[in-house]
Amino acid sequence: GENVEQHPSTLSVQEGDSAVIKCTYSDSASNYFPWYKQELGKRPQLIIDIRSNVGEKKDQRIAVTLNKTAKHFSLHITETQPEDSAVYFCAATPEGNNRLAFGKGNQVVVIP
Amino acid sequence: DTAVSQTPKYLVTQMGNDKSIKCEQNLGHDTMYWYKQDSKKFLKIMFSYNNKELIINETVPNRFSPKSPDKAHLNLHINSLELGDSAVYFCASQPAGVGTQYFGPGTRLLVL
Repeated sequence: GENVEQHPSTLSVQEGDSAVIKCTYSDSASNYFPWYKQELGKRPQLIIDIRSNVGEKKDQRIAVTLNKTAKHFSLHITETQPEDSAVYFCAATPEGNNRLAFGKGNQVVVIP
Repeated sequence: DTAVSQTPKYLVTQMGNDKSIKCEQNLGHDTMYWYKQDSKKFLKIMFSYNNKELIINETVPNRFSPKSPDKAHLNLHINSLELGDSAVYFCASQPAGVGTQYFGPGTRLLVL
């Protein structure tokens, strides 16, 4: 089955700087890659996703890039703010598969 | 108008007791899930149902028994609770095909 790994496990950034979280996956058949944000005590919520037919997607301060050849995808957060502090999960799944393979999560801390 | 709801939100109980957690979604999705999130934040899939049919059954003790009376509901019954069952249990639902999973607010279970 699919195996997703996230790096680094914890990331501290100064407010206003950029944060990048990288995930690698193992199954070349995977074609859907969502990112979830989980604030303390809350539920995981989708913040952005990408499908394998595109290499990059952007939504305001967040963007996701996908490199299918290298089997990795990254979340980029620009101009970080304290409310960006959370655990971020990446996931991957092949077409037609109901199982999302989650990474172990990254704790992002934005220092004011 | 809550999309995915769970009850109860908090559950504190003694070892050896039997308890149930309920989940309901009003999104019309066909697939529902139970995840366990322990103190290390890893989201571990437990079960998945598609249109009331069990499709994913991970290596979970048989003290855990899911039940789906209809496609909008997925309940989780736990027998003989153990200390290691303490965690946050999330329900999620997903529309047909590859897509976003929508999480419920979580049930925080503490076994004493």
